[in-house]
Amino acid sequence: GQNIDQPTEMTATEGAIVQINCTYQTSGFNGLFWYQQHAGEAPTFLSYNVLDGLEEKGRFSSFLSRSKGYSYLLLKELQMKDSASYLCAVRGGDPNRDDKIIFGKGTRLHILP
Amino acid sequence: EPEVTQTPSHQVTQMGQEVILRCVPISNHLYFYWYRQILGQKVEFLVSFYNNEISEKSEIFDDQFSVERPDGSNFTLKIRSTKLEDSAMYFCASSELGTANYGYTFGSGTRLTVV
Repeated sequence: GQNIDQPTEMTATEGAIVQINCTYQTSGFNGLFWYQQHAGEAPTFLSYNVLDGLEEKGRFSSFLSRSKGYSYLLLKELQMKDSASYLCAVRGGDPNRDDKIIFGKGTRLHILP
Repeated sequence: EPEVTQTPSHQVTQMGQEVILRCVPISNHLYFYWYRQILGQKVEFLVSFYNNEISEKSEIFDDQFSVERPDGSNFTLKIRSTKLEDSAMYFCASSELGTANYGYTFGSGTRLTVV
């Protein structure tokens, strides 16, 4: 089976840093994704990790530890527009196929002024 | 920037009626997907489609659901006899083989309301 856990809600202050954690148990592993989803909108791609370590992209960074089944998304210099749900998602199965991505329930991030 | 287009953006239908949700994936993409999201819940996988056939489907994708790629551009999801619990946001997505590190590109979704 597949299980992806992340906190339901988090609150942070504008200008601060926040870390959203994700743990997963999947049958096979072929990459971990973070998506941002504003209310009523489609998920939009933020980051991808397939090897252990940190990937940095502007204000957003994502970390992966495959041995621990653990990832985090780090958001720096928070802005009000960062208020959204952040979805951790994993692709499992055969790495030679473009297998489906399974999503966690998402973490709703509230930014306070 | 290429995008996935979905129509209609909203659809209201009566229980028991058939609905067809339409999607135009990105033109050079080879893999197509449907996901749904019931209000307040997580994004759930329904079905993947490659080389004109279903690659994989979830338990949700029962006999009431079907997908089709009737021509070179459209990818449709049909629900044969809608139920109240089919009310959700339905997202189409596509991906290009070999660029898996960018995941999927999602369409903006169709909000289906079954009354």
